[in-house]
Amino acid sequence: GQNIDQPTEMTATEGAIVQINCTYQTSGFNGLFWYQQHAGEAPTFLSYNVLDGLEEKGRFSSFLSRSKGYSYLLLKELQMKDSASYLCAALYAGNMLTFGGGTRLMVKP
Amino acid sequence: GAVVSQHPSWVICKSGTSVKIECRSLDFQATTMFWYRQFPKQSLMLMATSNEGSKATYEQGVEKDKFLINHASLTLSTLTVTSAHPEDSSFYICSARSEDRGFEQYFGPGTRLTVT
Repeated sequence: GQNIDQPTEMTATEGAIVQINCTYQTSGFNGLFWYQQHAGEAPTFLSYNVLDGLEEKGRFSSFLSRSKGYSYLLLKELQMKDSASYLCAALYAGNMLTFGGGTRLMVKP
Repeated sequence: GAVVSQHPSWVICKSGTSVKIECRSLDFQATTMFWYRQFPKQSLMLMATSNEGSKATYEQGVEKDKFLINHASLTLSTLTVTSAHPEDSSFYICSARSEDRGFEQYFGPGTRLTVT
């Protein structure tokens, strides 16, 4: 299988910056998604990286290094509503999306 | 655009009965639909992939006779949990993808199944 690894839990303070890392197997890799999921809800799309580099979208940015099999999601100016699970998902040949275990982020006042 | 709905949003059924969950793409034609299961505090686990008009492809360990998937049209897929047991209680999420829209999967709101 294609192991997708990300930390299980993280805690950060409101207004701060947090980086959530994700590593994946590079064989057959096509692209990397990040999703946000609040408890009891379906995942919502945050970003999709295909090429190396940083893509910024408001308070959220996503980085990809294809050669290293590494990505991160950067959240700036954290708000309480950012408390959620963040799912890293890698797209592989055959258009199969494989999810990591998710990182539960808790934002504290 | 790219809205996916699921019905019902939650359901409680008795052990041994069957439950059908619908997944619809409301504003696009979904060439492929995916069914996931998610247990509390765990990530999404792909159960099966279905293409319109063909049989679903099940992931290893998923019983195709227990989880019946039908993808009869480009906007509708159904998952039927047959002879449900308490261990089938979970959050079931569908997603849909259109070749016209690239690789992104659009997720439905999920269905919480509780088997008593």
